[in-house]
Amino acid sequence: DGGITQSPKYLFRKEGQNVTLSCEQNLNHDAMYWYRQDPGQGLRLIYYSQIVNDFQKGDIAEGYSVSREKKESFPLTVTSAQKNPTAFYLCASRPFRALNKPQHFGDGTRLSIL
Amino acid sequence: AQSVAQPEDQVNVAEGNPLTVKCTYSVSGNPYLFWYVQYPNRGLQFLLKYITGDNLVKGSYGFEAEFNKSQTSFHLKKPSALVSDSALYFCAVEGSNTGKLIFGQGTTLQVKP
Repeated sequence: DGGITQSPKYLFRKEGQNVTLSCEQNLNHDAMYWYRQDPGQGLRLIYYSQIVNDFQKGDIAEGYSVSREKKESFPLTVTSAQKNPTAFYLCASRPFRALNKPQHFGDGTRLSIL
Repeated sequence: AQSVAQPEDQVNVAEGNPLTVKCTYSVSGNPYLFWYVQYPNRGLQFLLKYITGDNLVKGSYGFEAEFNKSQTSFHLKKPSALVSDSALYFCAVEGSNTGKLIFGQGTTLQVKP
């Protein structure tokens, strides 16, 4: 079955450390998205990419970086500049140029500070 | 600016009773509206969407939503709640032509036996 795979499910970060969250999809979707979820705040967009080798900042991009070298993959790096990284991170995808199609979500990565 | 509001942090209903989870939106132009459900430590699952057409939209698991343009609302409903419906529900509106979703804060639905 097609879907989105996020790994790892749980991740711990030490002070000053960069960590990378993986997101892979086999849905042949062009667009991919990273969201951060905090209790009571809904989901906030970190970065998104509509095509390979291109991506744009979302609402809360500071302290994060992404790459989009392959259509299937959209990894997110949480850098040491992100001072409050503890959250649930969700990756999503959808076909581009399909404005009324729903986004498909992975099962998330929970990041905590050691 | 486009925005979505879910005015209730939590909704409590008894099993078998009808349920409503409220959502209001602010968007320029025609809105694309979505409802998603999230179970603990899982991703979001799509329930239903409104793009155009009938104001009453039917979706997965017996859920439906009513679009009201004059009240800028898109409330989620179900005629008879199940305990298994207990989860976190998000309303979202699609902004611009990038496919970016703007989410409400979420509403926890608790269905008691």
